[in-house]
Amino acid sequence: AQSVSQHNHHVILSEAASLELGCNYSYGGTVNLFWYVQYPGQHLQLLLKYFSGDPLVKGIKGFEAEFIKSKFSFNLRKPSVQWSDTAEYFCAPVLTGANNLFFGTGTRLTVIP
Amino acid sequence: EPEVTQTPSHQVTQMGQEVILRCVPISNHLYFYWYRQILGQKVEFLVSFYNNEISEKSEIFDDQFSVERPDGSNFTLKIRSTKLEDSAMYFCASRGRTGVTGELFFGEGSRLTVL
Repeated sequence: AQSVSQHNHHVILSEAASLELGCNYSYGGTVNLFWYVQYPGQHLQLLLKYFSGDPLVKGIKGFEAEFIKSKFSFNLRKPSVQWSDTAEYFCAPVLTGANNLFFGTGTRLTVIP
Repeated sequence: EPEVTQTPSHQVTQMGQEVILRCVPISNHLYFYWYRQILGQKVEFLVSFYNNEISEKSEIFDDQFSVERPDGSNFTLKIRSTKLEDSAMYFCASRGRTGVTGELFFGEGSRLTVL
């Protein structure tokens, strides 16, 4: 069965701290990988995506993620978080050729000024 | 930048009442989706729609739910007889023909409160 696991439910950091949010998936087949962000009171927005090629992908606002195929992981990172990064972050692997997007349980990030 | 718009932003209804949530996807998009997010929980897939028919639906999307694209621009979600547990934020999303599955554009959401 397909599953997505985001181990961190709530992460609290001070500004300028480094961030890493875990995402592991269990999908049989080739996947495309996405991170979405939901700022308080707003809609979901695409943060970054991986289809193929360089496993280290860069997204908006200084975020990056690394696809490690052997570990079935696509962890999200940012070297130095800002208060404005406070949001909920959702990992979403998608099987190539699939029609729909299924989200992980999400990780709430709170950045303290 | 084109965006997905949803109305109403918030609707309060009595249990058992019918509710219609409306979405206007990005104009040249062909694939349409509804998701919901119960307060404090994850975003759940409800249904996808392509070529004027449902392409996939989740277990949540039972006979109480229906979707329609009545006029070529709107995409609606109808809940025939609302239950308390239908209270959630409902998000509409769309993607274009050339967009890879997963590159969805989401609306701001419609908050449904069932009393």
